[in-house]
Amino acid sequence: DAGVIQSPRHEVTEMGQEVTLRCKPISGHDYLFWYRQTMMRGLELLIYFNNNVPIDDSGMPEDRFSAKMPNASFSTLKIQPSEPRDSAVYFCASSTSGAPYNEQFFGPGTRLTVL
Amino acid sequence: QQQVKQSPQSLIVQKGGISIINCAYENTAFDYFPWYQQFPGKGPALLIAIRPDVSEKKEGRFTISFNKSAKQFSLHIMDSQPGDSATYFCAAIPYSSASKIIFGSGTRLSIRP
Repeated sequence: DAGVIQSPRHEVTEMGQEVTLRCKPISGHDYLFWYRQTMMRGLELLIYFNNNVPIDDSGMPEDRFSAKMPNASFSTLKIQPSEPRDSAVYFCASSTSGAPYNEQFFGPGTRLTVL
Repeated sequence: QQQVKQSPQSLIVQKGGISIINCAYENTAFDYFPWYQQFPGKGPALLIAIRPDVSEKKEGRFTISFNKSAKQFSLHIMDSQPGDSATYFCAAIPYSSASKIIFGSGTRLSIRP
């Protein structure tokens, strides 16, 4: 298996632009998570899905952030409009029900820079 | 509100030495305590985990010590190697929401040759 796939790996954009991050979870996994990692705040859970349905979006910072999972093999995290404080590494992770210790498998991340 | 407190923020250990990272929690509803390892440019990966009904778990050179009454747990890396240089995150998972991992702030470990 190729693991969790994220694209793009790096994104540089200007303030006010729309940014879309993409994730393909591991085949057969029914949970998908979006995290944000910064030096100041560490690793934060933004939202997670179970069977394509959003379960907990309490970590989404504000209305500028939205996430979708149209099918079991694809999810997007969108920021519109983007701001410099959104600069961070965004990780997607997936897991399967009943996995020992609910192990989550992380993708390589997308490094977002908003100028 | 930091639910899982981790220390130190950074740690330098000589090759062959013992690396120790500590974590503490307040919420007694946590049920699993995993440790994740992250190398530069990569996502975190599960290293080792423990349930609160045991006091210690060992996998190779990595050991988790768990003190339920003190609500503290720690990661010990024996015979630390340069390849162990990474950021380590302790974490806790509440039984009420088994998919929601609460991560500590991370410890950047450097092993000097």
